[in-house]
Amino acid sequence: AQSVTQLGSHVSVSEGALVLLRCNYSSSVPPYLFWYVQYPNQGLQLLLKYTTGATLVKGINGFEAEFKKSETSFHLTKPSAHMSDAAEYFCAVSSTGANSKLTFGKGITLSVRP
Amino acid sequence: NAGVTQTPKFRVLKTGQSMTLLCAQDMNHEYMYWYRQDPGMGLRLIHYSVGEGTTAKGEVPDGYNVSRLKKQNFLLGLESAAPSQTSVYFCASSYLNSGNYGYTFGSGTRLTVV
Repeated sequence: AQSVTQLGSHVSVSEGALVLLRCNYSSSVPPYLFWYVQYPNQGLQLLLKYTTGATLVKGINGFEAEFKKSETSFHLTKPSAHMSDAAEYFCAVSSTGANSKLTFGKGITLSVRP
Repeated sequence: NAGVTQTPKFRVLKTGQSMTLLCAQDMNHEYMYWYRQDPGMGLRLIHYSVGEGTTAKGEVPDGYNVSRLKKQNFLLGLESAAPSQTSVYFCASSYLNSGNYGYTFGSGTRLTVV
């Protein structure tokens, strides 16, 4: 079984400030980890993913995430928030087995203040 | 370069009415999925398909049926709509094992049952 915990439902930062969105996972096998972004009235877009190899993963729009096995975490960061980053962000986990499916967290809404 | 297309984008149903949501993908993906998104609940898997002619239940399948007669299409049916089925429905597809590739999402269908 696998699960994802995204603590809190809303994060607010000032423009130019650090963005940190937390994600912890539970998986009985080595996981694949994903971050998706959903802009208002749109579908989900893949921001970045960790499968194997380097634990620091860079994605689109300046976001990055680090896989920390010891902490079972995959937190999403961006050094400087932009107004256009306001959206809902979902962390997801998948197992490495055949026919695996993504399990999503409940999502975090990011607001960016001018 | 359409990706995943969902129709319709919006629909209002009366309780007890039936309808079918259509998902079409042009990426030759084997796997297709139907999710519903509700505030504070994240994305919950309704049904999925691992190939043409196959379907399987997800986390919240009650009240829904699906069919995958053609590889590129995945239909979600509501036989007798209930207000509890008011939600945003997302279709997604993936190439073989989702762990390696992640999902491609459609833009969603916003359904209101009155």
